[in-house]
Amino acid sequence: AQSVTQLDSHVSVSEGTPVLLRCNYSSSYSPSLFWYVQHPNKGLQLLLKYTSAATLVKGINGFEAEFKKSETSFHLTKPSAHMSDAAEYFCVVSGGTRRSGYSTLTFGKGTMLLVSP
Amino acid sequence: NAGVTQTPKFQVLKTGQSMTLQCAQDMNHNSMYWYRQDPGMGLRLIYYSASEGTTDKGEVPNGYNVSRLNKREFSLRLESAAPSQTSVYFCASSDPGTNYGYTFGSGTRLTVV
Repeated sequence: AQSVTQLDSHVSVSEGTPVLLRCNYSSSYSPSLFWYVQHPNKGLQLLLKYTSAATLVKGINGFEAEFKKSETSFHLTKPSAHMSDAAEYFCVVSGGTRRSGYSTLTFGKGTMLLVSP
Repeated sequence: NAGVTQTPKFQVLKTGQSMTLQCAQDMNHNSMYWYRQDPGMGLRLIYYSASEGTTDKGEVPNGYNVSRLNKREFSLRLESAAPSQTSVYFCASSDPGTNYGYTFGSGTRLTVV
């Protein structure tokens, strides 16, 4: 079984300062890991994904995440926050195997990112 | 635009009423999913369909039924709505070729009074 823990329910930053959203995971398989973003009253958009290739993954809008197997972490970072980054962010782990041909996603409870001018 | 389409976008039900949430995808994905989103809980899996003709329970299936009508469509039915089912419902689809990333619909906001 897989699980995800997002260590902060809310993170507040000032515009132009770095962003760090923390995520730890647990998985019985070699996991695929994702970060999704949800802006208010919107659907979910994929930011980036890790699928056992490079451990540093670059996503959209300047976000990136580093897979650290020894720490079972997949933290999301951005060098400089923008007002438009204010949203809820979900760390997600995928279960299932390629042979089975499907997977189910397990979501963390979310981290709300607040960006002040 | 290709993607996942959910209908309706908003719905208010009275306790005990029934309704069906519709979902259709035009990406030829094999797998489809229904999630519910509640504040502070993230998204929780209700039911999924790994492929046409199969459905399986997820984490929170009680009070729901599903039908995989064909490869494109996956509906979620509430037979007797309860206030605890007030939530935002998301449908998603995936294909092994996309490394298990999902494409989500825009959601259905359901209120049961």
